[in-house]
Amino acid sequence: DIQMTQSPSSLSASVGDRVTITCRASQGISNYLAWFQQKPGKAPKSLIYAASSLQSGVPSKFSGSGSGTDFTLTISSLQPEDFATYYCQQYNSYPYSFGQGTKLEIK
Amino acid sequence: EVQLVESGGGLVQPGGSLSLSCAASGFTFNTYSMNWVRQAPGKGLEWVSYISSSSGSIYYADSVKGRFTISRDNAKNSLYLQMNSLRAEDTAVYYCARLYYMDVWGKGTTVTVSS
Repeated sequence: DIQMTQSPSSLSASVGDRVTITCRASQGISNYLAWFQQKPGKAPKSLIYAASSLQSGVPSKFSGSGSGTDFTLTISSLQPEDFATYYCQQYNSYPYSFGQGTKLEIK
Repeated sequence: EVQLVESGGGLVQPGGSLSLSCAASGFTFNTYSMNWVRQAPGKGLEWVSYISSSSGSIYYADSVKGRFTISRDNAKNSLYLQMNSLRAEDTAVYYCARLYYMDVWGKGTTVTVSS
């Protein structure tokens, strides 16, 4: 099974900042990686698929990169609505797996 | 509008059974694979099960294999999850999600396993 490890687990940042979240797979997954945003009490929202493809309707301030085992999600110019928990997910092979999440908090 | 709506959650005793449904609308359901994903209280996301568009391929997480059964009825635009031999650790919000990269999610239905 493929393990997904996100870092950091939590992150404090200010409005206007640019932040980067890292996701590492325990084995190569090509570009079969997705990123999600989840706010408290809400369902996850798809941001990025295929490591770097932006989901329709998602602002370009979100960007993803990486291939193989190392991936990043970058959020530029943070706004209050961006403070949430972010998850990566591999869909290279079953069982699918998620990272443990990164909680982005306002400093 | 593309939409997924889960239903069927509730309180069940350990060892009991529950059947969840996910109603799809706004897209051609029979051309999309589907997943169930769950989230225990205060925890992260856990993939539960996958079914291909034609039901030809089905996969489960080890934690539910042999106890849960995923199925779909393309004529009714519906996805199902039959959950048997429920345990306390199955307590979670259960989401249905479209495609292998989960581009669309429902709002979830809550399952509580407790005596």
